[in-house]
Amino acid sequence: AQSVTQPDIHITVSEGASLELRCNYSYGATPYLFWYVQSPGQGLQLLLKYFSGDTLVQGIKGFEAEFKRSQSSFNLRKPSVHWSDAAEYFCAVGINDMRFGAGTRLTVKP
Amino acid sequence: GAGVSQSPSNKVTEKGKDVELRCDPISGHTALYWYRQRLGQGLEFLIYFQGNSAPDKSGLPSDRFSAERTGESVSTLTIQRTQQEDSAVYLCASSFRRGQGNIQYFGAGTRLSVL
Repeated sequence: AQSVTQPDIHITVSEGASLELRCNYSYGATPYLFWYVQSPGQGLQLLLKYFSGDTLVQGIKGFEAEFKRSQSSFNLRKPSVHWSDAAEYFCAVGINDMRFGAGTRLTVKP
Repeated sequence: GAGVSQSPSNKVTEKGKDVELRCDPISGHTALYWYRQRLGQGLEFLIYFQGNSAPDKSGLPSDRFSAERTGESVSTLTIQRTQQEDSAVYLCASSFRRGQGNIQYFGAGTRLSVL
């Protein structure tokens, strides 16, 4: 069965600290992979995507993600978090259809 | 328009009433999706339109839910005889076409509260 798991419901980091949000998936083939961010009261904004090629992808706002086929993972990282990064983050996978994880809420401490 | 537009942004209704939610996709996008997002949860696929093809209704939770789209323009999601469990944010997204990793662009959503 196809599924997307974001193991961490809520993460708190200090401003300036590094961040890693986890995403694992189960899919019949290697799907396309996405990370979206949702600020309060807003829709989802695409941070980055992986289709093929280099397994380390760069996105907007200083985010990057690494696809690891052997681990069926697509973790999102940022070396130094800013207060404005506080939001909900969704991992999504799919080929023709997109499945979303339940999301990870990021809180940034001053 | 420049992005996906949804209206209203907020809707409060009484249990048993019908509601209609509207989505204006990005011009030129042939694919349109509706999702439901319950509080603290991920996105639940509801329905998908691709051009003039028959819509994929596989995610609609009950026959109280329906949606229409005229060509490649506006879509409306209708919930009849609303129930309290229908309270959620309803998100609309559009993409150039379905599949092959086409990126979905999302509206800000309609927050529905059923009292």
